[in-house]
Amino acid sequence: NAGVTQTPKFQVLKTGQSMTLQCAQDMNHEYMSWYRQDPGMGLRLIHYSVGAGITDQGEVPNGYNVSRSTTEDFPLRLLSAAPSQTSVYFCASSYAPPRDNQPQHFGDGTRLSIL
Amino acid sequence: KQEVTQIPAALSVPEGENLVLNCSFTDSAIYNLQWFRQDPGKGLTSLLLIQSSQREQTSGRLNASLDKSSGRSTLYIAASQPGDSATYLCAVTEAAGNKLTFGGGTRVLVKP
Repeated sequence: NAGVTQTPKFQVLKTGQSMTLQCAQDMNHEYMSWYRQDPGMGLRLIHYSVGAGITDQGEVPNGYNVSRSTTEDFPLRLLSAAPSQTSVYFCASSYAPPRDNQPQHFGDGTRLSIL
Repeated sequence: KQEVTQIPAALSVPEGENLVLNCSFTDSAIYNLQWFRQDPGKGLTSLLLIQSSQREQTSGRLNASLDKSSGRSTLYIAASQPGDSATYLCAVTEAAGNKLTFGGGTRVLVKP
């Protein structure tokens, strides 16, 4: 079982560059989300989606865009990378939104450094 | 705004000792609370999910309790093993129901 797959695993960018972090799940999960994990800050929600065509902002959405054209994929776009976006990014998914008592499945993360 | 706190940030115990990990949250209006394990360089693995109407959940050597009124949850790991060494995080699903708020985690080292 592939579960939640994130690519790439590592990336180095220069300030001002744009890129897309990929997230795919093969479990037919409706709910998907993106977090960033920073030392001393814990995991913070960037964007989430409750189904194809529906996205919403989390706690720290500035500088990031998302779209959900299919159930399987939920890419995260950095529009113009800034050093403050250096972080580890995690994608997660579940059958239904968290309020429906569904455990979250996480990918292994993308480690992003912006110079 | 919901805040989730885990104290201590790090814990070291000898093998065989029981582990007690704490999680506190400021707003008791939650749908559920989850405990996760994170190994270095890896993603999070869900260990236990406690619904707001439940007092505890058990899985093998793991037992998690929830006291919503006092804003606390405790994860007990019985007879710890070196393989239990990891960071443990708790997260609550708050009133709107679409988001998880995480604690900062407790890093656990079980010494052989």
